[in-house]
Amino acid sequence: QSALTQPPSASGSPGQSVTISCTGTSSDVGGYNYVSWYQQHPGKAPKLMIYDVTKRPSGVPDRFSGSKSGNTASLTVSGLQAEDEADYYCNSYGGSNHFEVFGGGTKLTVL
Amino acid sequence: QLQLQESGPGLVRPSETLSLTCTVSGGSISGSSPYYWGWIRQPPGKGLEWMGSIYYSGSTYYNPSLKSRVTISVDTSKNQFSLKLTSVTAADTAVYYCARRFDYRHSLDYWGQGTLVTVSS
Repeated sequence: QSALTQPPSASGSPGQSVTISCTGTSSDVGGYNYVSWYQQHPGKAPKLMIYDVTKRPSGVPDRFSGSKSGNTASLTVSGLQAEDEADYYCNSYGGSNHFEVFGGGTKLTVL
Repeated sequence: QLQLQESGPGLVRPSETLSLTCTVSGGSISGSSPYYWGWIRQPPGKGLEWMGSIYYSGSTYYNPSLKSRVTISVDTSKNQFSLKLTSVTAADTAVYYCARRFDYRHSLDYWGQGTLVTVSS
């Protein structure tokens, strides 16, 4: 099973919005509402930001939102702040035997 | 607050077996619950790769790309679960993370800090 496809980089100025895409297939992203997003700062462990496509864990700012259309999921960061600069990874249930697949990651730069 | 901590050798020789343990504190790994316990790795400068997961009962699920080399086990008496990866090569050099998967939310909600394992002679 192949990794999900993410753009390698994205950028925006403070206060702006940026959207990161995550494209899979009908066997993973398109087949289930089980997409999650993780934020990873350099040298740190990933942190859960979005689960089940659109839901935010407690403590995650509402500037972070998720959506999905067909085989593509998206993470939108609104009102960009300097601390949002990090790598972002999507993850999806792969449909069989609890298989999971990650995206290749997107480096978000706050200009 | 749940905490996970990886431990094990930081250097493994090529063709040998990589062994890591994840100790869970602040919560129990056992009992009927919606939690699975997994391993994820990240080669230097690269993305995340799901390796596999285990339920407290011992049921295991592996990434097909690694299935022939990976074994995940659980020791509920020690509140630990472990990873073994056989026949390692330089391509297995990575930061290895253990994490908890909350099945009701289909996501990895708690992560260890990660441990770097280098495969080199």
